[in-house]
Amino acid sequence: GEDVEQSLFLSVREGDSSVINCTYTDSSSTYLYWYKQEPGAGLQLLTYIFSNMDMKQDQRLTVLLNKKDKHLSLRIADTQTGDSAIYFCAEIPMDSSYKLIFGSGTRLLVRP
Amino acid sequence: GAVVSQHPSWVICKSGTSVKIECRSLDFQATTMFWYRQFPKQSLMLMATSNEGSKATYEQGVEKDKFLINHASLTLSTLTVTSAHPEDSSFYICSASEGSSGANVLTFGAGSRLTVL
Repeated sequence: GEDVEQSLFLSVREGDSSVINCTYTDSSSTYLYWYKQEPGAGLQLLTYIFSNMDMKQDQRLTVLLNKKDKHLSLRIADTQTGDSAIYFCAEIPMDSSYKLIFGSGTRLLVRP
Repeated sequence: GAVVSQHPSWVICKSGTSVKIECRSLDFQATTMFWYRQFPKQSLMLMATSNEGSKATYEQGVEKDKFLINHASLTLSTLTVTSAHPEDSSFYICSASEGSSGANVLTFGAGSRLTVL
């Protein structure tokens, strides 16, 4: 079945790195995504990774994909207070045609 | 980049009334849009897939007569919550794909917060 899991909460100090983890169950997903949601707002696409890649880096963001373990992570370098938000990983299973399946979301709190 | 606009951003209504939420793709055409619902501190749950010119496809457990979806043009989908009750209070978010990236990237609206008194 389709199930995407994340840890619920992460707290880091400003300037440290944050690592948000995600596990998924559908190995057929071609792309995996990370979205950010600030309070009371919609979702903002941060980055995505193609399933045949192991890593993707985009400025302060690094995505690691372990297909064998179905594990996806998002590393935020030099975390800032503005990074405090909820982060969702998501996948589109092969047969679902654009239907994003979201993880439960990880609330990141950046302490000054 | 692709922009999806939702209106209203928040609405308060009395129990028993109907509320319409609009979702517009501002600079691209979207044959398919998606409606999600989010309860406080929870993830997004897909409610339905809105298809331009045809009936929406609802997820299991979502009442199609309760949540009416109309996708009359390539840039507009509407969600009408009929005979709203307090348990319908939620954050409703729509999304659409521009379709050019090849990565099935969805652009989300800012969401509409519905409070039913």
